[in-house]
Amino acid sequence: AQKVTQAQTEISVVEKEDVTLDCVYETRDTTYYLFWYKQPPSGELVFLIRRNSFDEQNEISGRYSWNFQKSTSSFNFTITASQVVDSAVYFCALSGLSQGAQKLVFGQGTRLTINP
Amino acid sequence: GAVVSQHPSRVICKSGTSVKIECRSLDFQATTMFWYRQFPKKSLMLMATSNEGSKATYEQGVEKDKFLINHASLTLSTLTVTSAHPEDSSFYICSARGRLSNQPQHFGDGTRLSIL
Repeated sequence: AQKVTQAQTEISVVEKEDVTLDCVYETRDTTYYLFWYKQPPSGELVFLIRRNSFDEQNEISGRYSWNFQKSTSSFNFTITASQVVDSAVYFCALSGLSQGAQKLVFGQGTRLTINP
Repeated sequence: GAVVSQHPSRVICKSGTSVKIECRSLDFQATTMFWYRQFPKKSLMLMATSNEGSKATYEQGVEKDKFLINHASLTLSTLTVTSAHPEDSSFYICSARGRLSNQPQHFGDGTRLSIL
């Protein structure tokens, strides 16, 4: 079975602080994809990143960075110098080859609030 | 990037009404489309997977006679909530993926359904 756990239900920080959102996953597939999505109050899902299970290189995109560690089955997301516009619910998701049609399994989401 | 259009964005209607939600891929052929439901402050739950030209595959616990899915073309899938009742009120969001199973899903902006 596939499972994604985002243990942090809500996080609240002051603007300009760095914040890390945790994601731990479970899968028996050797090939799988990990994703992060942002869902602002308006409701749409904004794609942030997709990572192949064979690519453990960390990635940085502006203020966003991702740390993928297969040894601990984690795919954590860090926002540096947070801004109020970063306030949203963030979802980590997993898609494995054994899941017919590449279904996405979502974590419960972390509600991030950046206070001015 | 790939664009998925979902319409309408918001529906308010009386109990007993059937409601149709459309999901269109605007610039790619969506071989597979997914329909999700999201309760307030909860994660996305996959309802069904549909492949163009074939019957949808429903997740356990989802009533296929209640939630009719049609994927008649490579650019359009529809979800019809039949004889909707207040408990069907929710945020419904679709996603679409191209022919290759390793391609990412692209999400529509969601439909907020309120049944009075």
